[in-house]
Amino acid sequence: IAGITQAPTSQILAAGRRMTLRCTQDMRHNAMYWYRQDLGLGLRLIHYSNTAGTTGKGEVPDGYSVSRANTDDFPLTLASAVPSQTSVYFCASSEWDRRTDTQYFGPGTRLTVL
Amino acid sequence: LAKTTQPISMDSYEGQEVNITCSHNNIATNDYITWYQQFPSQGPRFIIQGYKTKVTNEVASLFIPADRKSSTLSLPRVSLSDTAVYYCLVGDMGDYGGATNKLIFGTGTLLAVQP
Repeated sequence: IAGITQAPTSQILAAGRRMTLRCTQDMRHNAMYWYRQDLGLGLRLIHYSNTAGTTGKGEVPDGYSVSRANTDDFPLTLASAVPSQTSVYFCASSEWDRRTDTQYFGPGTRLTVL
Repeated sequence: LAKTTQPISMDSYEGQEVNITCSHNNIATNDYITWYQQFPSQGPRFIIQGYKTKVTNEVASLFIPADRKSSTLSLPRVSLSDTAVYYCLVGDMGDYGGATNKLIFGTGTLLAVQP
């Protein structure tokens, strides 16, 4: 069982370029999330999706967009990258059961915007 | 939104019990308290979750007082491999459960275990 996979592992990107970070899960979880992690700031939620076809904004959504066409995939797009988007990006998923909401995280994508 | 406050770092020795406290003064009625562990270059990993009183699993215990304004993660007899960042997460499961925009991670506590 792969769990959650993210691609690419790392990327160096010129400012102004468009970039899509890929996230795929094979656990059939209904909820998926994108976080960014910056030194000294911990993890911050960018966007989330409760179920296929729905998405919502998290704590830091500006400059990012997401889509959820099916249960397994949750891509994150930077339409025009800026240096402040240099970060490590983590995708996560969870199967909510009305009592707990354990999130399973992918290995992360290290993005550098120059 | 219930933001959290944790110590930035803690030091311990192998075999000791470690207690990490998280403050969440504005916790809401529907909020659960969850702790995650993160090693360098890896995504966070779920440790334990609770709503009130005490929860125990095979790796840790979580103590939550009656007012729920704080919580304490207890790691019994730590080893070198427990060196990691520990995050306290306070989140609202929402009317339909799953993700909401109220999921807030703390800044994390770097636990350094020495031999």
